[in-house]
Amino acid sequence: AQSVTQLGSHVSVSEGALVLLRCNYSSSVPPYLFWYVQYPNQGLQLLLKYTSAATLVKGINGFEAEFKKSETSFHLTKPSAHMSDAAEYFCAVSESGGSYIPTFGRGTSLIVHP
Amino acid sequence: EAGVAQSPRYKIIEKRQSVAFWCNPISGHATLYWYQQILGQGPKLLIQFQNNGVVDDSQLPKDRFSAERLKGVDSTLKIQPAKLEDSAVYLCASSRIGQGLTEAFFGQGTRLTVV
Repeated sequence: AQSVTQLGSHVSVSEGALVLLRCNYSSSVPPYLFWYVQYPNQGLQLLLKYTSAATLVKGINGFEAEFKKSETSFHLTKPSAHMSDAAEYFCAVSESGGSYIPTFGRGTSLIVHP
Repeated sequence: EAGVAQSPRYKIIEKRQSVAFWCNPISGHATLYWYQQILGQGPKLLIQFQNNGVVDDSQLPKDRFSAERLKGVDSTLKIQPAKLEDSAVYLCASSRIGQGLTEAFFGQGTRLTVV
């Protein structure tokens, strides 16, 4: 069985500060990992994905995430926050070689202060 | 390419009424998912189709929810009768199956309010 834990339901940063959103996963087989962003009243948009290639994954809008097998983590970072980054962020895991059903975390709301 | 299309965007119904949602996936995507997203929570999978067959419906409340994808393209999710706790955003997603291409593309969702 697979699961995802996102630490912190809300993260607040100042504009220009580092963004760090935490995600830990559990999977019985090598996982595929994803980060999605959801703006108000919109669907989910894929930010980046890890599918067993490079462990440091670069995504859209300046975000990146690093797969750390030893820590079972896939934290999302961005060096400098923009006001437009304020949104809900979801980490998801899917088991490679399985039915590819993504399981989502509860989400982290990113708040950016001017 | 065109994205995942869902309709309606919003729906308000009274409890015990019926409601249906429609989804048209991205062309060529064999897999279609319906997710339920309750306010403040992550999306929860209700049902997954591959072509017109059901892959997983273990979390679908079958006493009131039903879904079909008769021709392996668009899909309909129905709730009959609705309960207050069904108030949520219903997201449809689609994906290809294949190494390195496993990701789900989501529609904008249908926001259901049951009063």
